[in-house]
Amino acid sequence: DSGVTQTPKHLITATGQRVTLRCSPRSGDLSVYWYQQSLDQGLQFLIQYYNGEERAKGNILERFSAQQFPDLHSELNLSSLELGDSALYFCASSVARLAGGPTGELFFGEGSRLTVL
Amino acid sequence: AQKVTQAQTEISVVEKEDVTLDCVYETRDTTYYLFWYKQPPSGELVFLIRRNSFDEQNEISGRYSWNFQKSTSSFNFTITASQVVDSAVYFCALRIRAGNTPLVFGKGTRLSVIA
Repeated sequence: DSGVTQTPKHLITATGQRVTLRCSPRSGDLSVYWYQQSLDQGLQFLIQYYNGEERAKGNILERFSAQQFPDLHSELNLSSLELGDSALYFCASSVARLAGGPTGELFFGEGSRLTVL
Repeated sequence: AQKVTQAQTEISVVEKEDVTLDCVYETRDTTYYLFWYKQPPSGELVFLIRRNSFDEQNEISGRYSWNFQKSTSSFNFTITASQVVDSAVYFCALRIRAGNTPLVFGKGTRLSVIA
């Protein structure tokens, strides 16, 4: 158990819909990262937050948005869903904003599997 | 830009065989971190090891060992006496020290250990 909690674990929805994925980082971790894992693109970095502020942005579509709340949990909002958005979405956390802390590794949740029909 | 290449897409071995998973990385930064993660069939990503760019000492943890060679920009992972429970997708990842950089992952190597 990494200590990172993601909900829901599975989600099935239709094209055009909007969903929200939730992540609770490990206790004490200030940084949250979102990754998308699809069969053809592998693990792609979407966005990073540190203590409520956006710190780095990757290949995140304009239809997607995220935020980190004062209690440090984060939400990833996916809207106008398309078939190609079907993927496993991971949240990860680390201590420091540079993910550099003492060791630098990210700890991942179990992921939220999104299926768009 | 950083890049991680795992040339082996899939590997299949018989139980008790040794297997090495290759990882080649690219970065212009002199300070960076290398990682291996395991993704079993259940889907979660499990952290295995981190190696700093300034520490080329190889590491052994039980049946797992890692060979870091800066001269060839490689960070290979060997499983000795493989077991069926080792079946998973293994990812190599890189992060540079400077700036707010995320982990950059390779495409992964799917390892199947057959009983």
